[in-house]
Amino acid sequence: DAGVIQSPRHEVTEMGQEVTLRCKPISGHNSLFWYRQTMMRGLELLIYFNNNVPIDDSGMPEDRFSAKMPNASFSTLKIQPSEPRDSAVYFCASSLVGFEQFFGPGTRLTVL
Amino acid sequence: GIQVEQSPPDLILQEGANSTLRCNFSDSVNNLQWFHQNPWGQLINLFYIPSGTKQNGRLSATTVATERYSLLYISSSQTTDSGVYFCAVWPPRGGGADGLTFGKGTHLIIQP
Repeated sequence: DAGVIQSPRHEVTEMGQEVTLRCKPISGHNSLFWYRQTMMRGLELLIYFNNNVPIDDSGMPEDRFSAKMPNASFSTLKIQPSEPRDSAVYFCASSLVGFEQFFGPGTRLTVL
Repeated sequence: GIQVEQSPPDLILQEGANSTLRCNFSDSVNNLQWFHQNPWGQLINLFYIPSGTKQNGRLSATTVATERYSLLYISSSQTTDSGVYFCAVWPPRGGGADGLTFGKGTHLIIQP
């Protein structure tokens, strides 16, 4: 079975550009999570969805960040405009509601 | 919010040695997961363990939820066990799945 799929795996962009990260959860899972990993802050939750509905976005750092889940098999995390401090590894994870979470390989974002 | 503390922060061992990693959490939790982040950055699920003891090969884990801690045991260490081990908990909220709160991890190095 395919795990959580993320694209791109690496993204290098310049400050001010729009960045879109993509995630395909495990088929049948109905919860989806976006996390960010940095050296300073470790792994932190940004936002999560249950049944395609955003439940808690209190971890989203600021209005430049937005996330959508138009259907059960696809989600995007968008940063507009991007800044150097957004450089991090962004992970997507999925689960059945209330159960074990499985992580994708991550997207390493570098903003110059 | 809930606090998750892992110890030790760093551990260097010789191949074949055994080790115990600890995770303390500050409040009751609905669930707990252990992950291994390998040198390529991938988060590998090790255990999903709200309470009790589980074993998988050379690894085992015990969670004592009433005393707010979990232990991860690695026996007969191999160089491929190197990486960062994370404990992550689900804080208690009303209904549905919530995001994981991660500890800062234990960085394990197994020397040949």
